[in-house]
Amino acid sequence: EDKVVQSPLSLVVHEGDTVTLNCSYEVTNFRSLLWYKQEKKAPTFLFMLTSSGIEKKSGRLSSILDKKELFSILNITATQTGDSAVYLCAVPDYGGSQGNLIFGKGTKLSVKP
Amino acid sequence: ETGVTQSPTHLIKTRGQQVTLRCSSQSGHNTVSWYQQALGQGPQFIFQYYREEENGRGNFPPRFSGLQFPNYSSELNVNALELDDSALYLCASRPDRGRVNEQFFGPGTRLTVL
Repeated sequence: EDKVVQSPLSLVVHEGDTVTLNCSYEVTNFRSLLWYKQEKKAPTFLFMLTSSGIEKKSGRLSSILDKKELFSILNITATQTGDSAVYLCAVPDYGGSQGNLIFGKGTKLSVKP
Repeated sequence: ETGVTQSPTHLIKTRGQQVTLRCSSQSGHNTVSWYQQALGQGPQFIFQYYREEENGRGNFPPRFSGLQFPNYSSELNVNALELDDSALYLCASRPDRGRVNEQFFGPGTRLTVL
């Protein structure tokens, strides 16, 4: 059965800290991995990774994929209170569900002032 | 703003009732998917519609059904509600069945079943 596992499930840090969120996957027909940020309701897209070793960056956020070891990490440097959210990792299922997303449970990040 | 809207925002029903949730996709987005997100869990795929036909389904019973209309709106219907159906229901639209990174989520409908 295809699955996506995130760790830790929750994390509390102080502003300015650096955090690393983990995502491992076991998915047939793997093509890509996506990260989302969910603050209140709608998940918003952060990154899509398709190739190993190529780091994606957007400001203080960066992510990298290891297709050999089947995991990805999301790094956030110099955290701010606005980074508080649930971070979701997802892999498209190109088997029976036409590319729809298999999500992990998410990592709830709380950034304290 | 993602251009995807959902209604209602919140809904309270009792066990055994039926509910209809609505989603309005971005213009030109032919594919809409619905997800159920229970508290503390990631979203789980319910089903997908492409050009008004269901073309993918997750592990949900037949009492979960849907419709997609030519005007880029869609519905999720749930019959015989159970307590475990309490969740946030998200719809997501994208231009076609590929391009998953161009999928935009709506704000969701919070359903509570008593």
